[in-house]
Amino acid sequence: DTGVSQNPRHKITKRGQNVTFRCDPISEHNRLYWYRQTLGQGPEFLTYFQNEAQLEKSRLLSDRFSAERPKGSFSTLEIQRTEQGDSAMYLCASSLGDRGIAEKLFFGSGTQLSVL
Amino acid sequence: GENVEQHPSTLSVQEGDSAVIKCTYSDSASNYFPWYKQELGKGPQLIIDIRSNVGEKKDQRIAVTLNKTAKHFSLHITETQPEDSAVYFCAAGNNNDMRFGAGTRLTVKP
Repeated sequence: DTGVSQNPRHKITKRGQNVTFRCDPISEHNRLYWYRQTLGQGPEFLTYFQNEAQLEKSRLLSDRFSAERPKGSFSTLEIQRTEQGDSAMYLCASSLGDRGIAEKLFFGSGTQLSVL
Repeated sequence: GENVEQHPSTLSVQEGDSAVIKCTYSDSASNYFPWYKQELGKGPQLIIDIRSNVGEKKDQRIAVTLNKTAKHFSLHITETQPEDSAVYFCAAGNNNDMRFGAGTRLTVKP
């Protein structure tokens, strides 16, 4: 068990381009979460999955944001038509449990997105 | 929704001293209060958590206290060491929502 893995670690893109990030959770964890963290702030919840089902997505920042977890293992977060305000650290976390969002979360090291 | 405020934003202590970080929350439905430590270039790491049916929890040099009536909870680190230097985040939530504080940058001076 190597923990939660996120790729890429850094992504630089031009405004208007689409980007996709990948998260591989801890293998036995059934829940997977996406958070966004801007400089000097705490993580902000975006969405989460239990196995392949996306249980909460109303907190995704706009309809340009979407996430998938097709086989209940790895997940992808896509941002379409990126804007400079999307620049942030995107964190993935996983957990094993049934308490919804109120779980012990194991975070990856994040993907740092810079939109030029 | 939940609103979490964390103080102080920065804290500097001498090695061996204690450090206390305080958080307040607004939603009385919150029943889970974790604390995370984030080092540079890494994701947050859970260091201790408490649920609303418990008033205090301790793990070696780290303790958390919860006052549900006043809606505040605190992290206490005793005998601080330089490796405790990091950003610490509190959070409050329930099954449907969890919000993080803005963080406290702790510096432990040797």
